[in-house]
Amino acid sequence: SQELEQSPQSLIVQEGKNLTINCTSSKTLYGLYWYKQKYGEGLIFLMMLQKGGEEKSHEKITAKLDEKKQQSSLHITASQPSHAGIYLCGADLARGGAGNMLTFGGGTRLMVKP
Amino acid sequence: NAGVTQTPKFRVLKTGQSMTLLCAQDMNHEYMYWYRQDPGMGLRLIHYSVGEGTTAKGEVPDGYNVSRLKKQNFLLGLESAAPSQTSVYFCASRRTDLYEQYFGPGTRLTVT
Repeated sequence: SQELEQSPQSLIVQEGKNLTINCTSSKTLYGLYWYKQKYGEGLIFLMMLQKGGEEKSHEKITAKLDEKKQQSSLHITASQPSHAGIYLCGADLARGGAGNMLTFGGGTRLMVKP
Repeated sequence: NAGVTQTPKFRVLKTGQSMTLLCAQDMNHEYMYWYRQDPGMGLRLIHYSVGEGTTAKGEVPDGYNVSRLKKQNFLLGLESAAPSQTSVYFCASRRTDLYEQYFGPGTRLTVT
């Protein structure tokens, strides 16, 4: 969706390296969701952010939502081959959206070279 | 506990044919969703349901119909398939009080 831009579109990193994926909108992100999709499979929920400045971590993955609530980043520390896949951000672009009408970014394809 | 399942996994249709995709969930979730995923366009919401007997339009509803006669099932119908409906279709469900959506494995549909 052009309302939610992800960068980069694809990324190849060496195992052990850190990386960052960005998700940007010109509109306010009332709820921001990060999902991971393994090739040929469905999406798996990673994290949800709602408040400006919020940061959440799970294992080696950290997601942040900026103070203006228009940009989110997903940071992976010491990448592993198991981190490979497509990362998608989804967002509520309407206040009170209740998580039903999510707009998704185009996805970032991550490959981790052993 | 199978989670969210989709039937069929693959299908090839000719232009003008009809078909129904079935989504089933065994988690007693109230909300269910149908998305399509096209290269470079992420996921786009087709229709969704906030409970048994209810449906609502999403971002790209034209050419599709849905029904939620039972809480655990959400059907997506294509009455007259078009090549533009070639895509991967995902179903998802979630609880009322949590925003996390659980996704099925997808149905790859090709319309020739």
